Amino acid sequence: AQRVTQPEKLLSVFKGAPVELKCNYSYSGSPELFWYVQYSRQRLQLLLRHISRESIKGFTADLNKGETSFHLKKPFAQEEDSAMYYCALARYSGAGSYQLTFGKGTKLSVIP
Amino acid sequence: GAGVSQSPRYKVAKRGQDVALRCDPISGHVSLFWYQQALGQGPEFLTYFQNEAQLDKSGLPSDRFFAERPEGSVSTLKIQRTQQEDSAVYLCASSLTGPADDLAKNIQYFGAGTRLSVL
Repeated sequence: AQRVTQPEKLLSVFKGAPVELKCNYSYSGSPELFWYVQYSRQRLQLLLRHISRESIKGFTADLNKGETSFHLKKPFAQEEDSAMYYCALARYSGAGSYQLTFGKGTKLSVIP
Repeated sequence: GAGVSQSPRYKVAKRGQDVALRCDPISGHVSLFWYQQALGQGPEFLTYFQNEAQLDKSGLPSDRFFAERPEGSVSTLKIQRTQQEDSAVYLCASSLTGPADDLAKNIQYFGAGTRLSVL
């Protein structure tokens, strides 16, 4: 069965410090991974996905198949980065369906 | 439309009552998903529609949960005889294409959710 693990419930960093939000996954197929973010009083929104290989709001994430990880990183945290972050893994079924499996989330708090 | 719209935003039900939650996906989106998010947890998949066809209902926790999308647009999630363990935020998401299509177009866009409290 597929699983996504985010080991930290809460991560506090000072403004300007580097950030790393950890995500590990287990999946027997070829993984497709995402990071979703939920700012206060806003809906869940896509931050980035590994197939795009892009940097969004200064965040990057590299898929490491050897370590089955997809950690989210940013070199210098900003106060506006404070939010709930969810790592998610897509699973495709033979019946033409697909779904996202989410981790439990990490709340990032950036201290001014 | 501006995005995925869900109603009501909040619903309080007495144990044993039936509830119906509505989702209006982004216009033209083929795929529609329902997720359940319990307090302190990440969203968990309930069911998936491609147009009007319900292709996957493997995540529905019991036969008290039923979802439909009769015309391939608006969807309703119905919960019969609600129990306290049904209390959660119910999220709807839609994506432009189905899973076999262009991966760049199957991004899931989420609604704000319906918070269900069963007393």
